[in-house]
Amino acid sequence: QAVVTQEPSLTVSPGGTVTLTCGSSTGAVTSGHYPYWFQQKPGQAPRTLIYDTSNKHSWTPARFSGSLLGGKAALTLSGALPEDEAEYYCFLYSGGALWVFGGGTKLTVL
Amino acid sequence: QVQLVQSGAEVKKPGASVRVSCKASGFTFSGYYLHWVRQAPGQGLDWMGWINLDSGDTKYTQKFEGRVTMTRDTSINTAYMDLSRLTSDDTAVYYCARDRGWAVWGQGTLVTVSA
Repeated sequence: QAVVTQEPSLTVSPGGTVTLTCGSSTGAVTSGHYPYWFQQKPGQAPRTLIYDTSNKHSWTPARFSGSLLGGKAALTLSGALPEDEAEYYCFLYSGGALWVFGGGTKLTVL
Repeated sequence: QVQLVQSGAEVKKPGASVRVSCKASGFTFSGYYLHWVRQAPGQGLDWMGWINLDSGDTKYTQKFEGRVTMTRDTSINTAYMDLSRLTSDDTAVYYCARDRGWAVWGQGTLVTVSA
């Protein structure tokens, strides 16, 4: 099963832009991996921000966007707010009806 | 409204089994797959597997194969995750989540394994 890699931690200034990435040990991430992005704040259940690479839910703030970038899935936050400080997990279809999470990126807004 | 409501916290001894339930409301139960995810204290999310709520077909990640069983009861719109031969490493919050966008998550169930 694939190993999914994310930056362990990133820092962004309030109002700034940051891109989180999600790579796979099996090669380039494509739309066929159906990338998901989840946000989790301490003590809360995860919340789905992005599904199928770039699709948003009704509650997903417009400042978040998903894409494929350089062989990886990417989550871009444009105009960071203090409430965006959280852990972010990517999630990929690994083939054979199996799915796998990345290790998570701790995003600090400072 | 559309929601998944999980059963309450459990405390189990090593070697025991646990059942976590996930009751669905507000949507057509048999029209979806349900995934189970766990999160150990201070750790990341760990995908366990899925169940087709219509057919009952399942798929488990190898890590849990042989110890996990996912089932559902369509008459009461409830899915279950059974985990056997518990060890302290199974202490975690267990979540259910509905597929197709993962728009709906359960609130989580804390399972504590302690002698």
